Amino acid sequence: DSGVTQTPKHLITATGQRVTLRCSPRSGDLSVYWYQQSLDQGLQFLIQYYNGEERAKGNILERFSAQQFPDLHSELNLSSLELGDSALYFCASSVEGNRVNYGYTFGSGTRLTVV
Amino acid sequence: ILNVEQSPQSLHVQEGDSTNFTCSFPSSNFYALHWYRWETAKSPEALFVMTLNGDEKKKGRISATLNTKEGYSYLYIKGSQPEDSATYLCAPSLANSGYALNFGKGTSLLVTP
Repeated sequence: DSGVTQTPKHLITATGQRVTLRCSPRSGDLSVYWYQQSLDQGLQFLIQYYNGEERAKGNILERFSAQQFPDLHSELNLSSLELGDSALYFCASSVEGNRVNYGYTFGSGTRLTVV
Repeated sequence: ILNVEQSPQSLHVQEGDSTNFTCSFPSSNFYALHWYRWETAKSPEALFVMTLNGDEKKKGRISATLNTKEGYSYLYIKGSQPEDSATYLCAPSLANSGYALNFGKGTSLLVTP
């Protein structure tokens, strides 16, 4: 157990639907990062939150949004789902908010299948 | 999208062989270079974080070097064992992309007895 908890582990939903993925960071970590891994693609950075505020944005679609709550857990909302959104979504956390010197701790991921 | 290249894409070696992989990345705005190990059905785990040109890090039989001027890093595994089988990811952290890690597609290593 890495200390980063992601739920659910698996999710199957239909096109056009909306889903919410949840992540609880490792105790003491203030940053949460969301990554997407599609077939034959590397880990694509989506978005970072630090202590409740958005800190950096990557290749996140407008249909996707995220937030980090006062208890530091984060949610990634995916709406108007398309078949191409099927992927493994990882959450990672770190103690740092900016320059990462100690690496990330990853959760076990949420496998999203859009049918 | 950041251009992070890892080679080879995959590698199959025999137990006891030594091997190395390459990661190339943009050298401008460089802050740090991370290496991760990702076993099948598990989550990526941090191996090394390097920031200075010429840095060398070692953990057991695995070591890494960094050249920030030319934008590359090497990962070496000495005397590969079957338990080293995994995908090895590199990820530079750049100042002009908010320092978030940008991962390469990885090198998939298979070590057979």
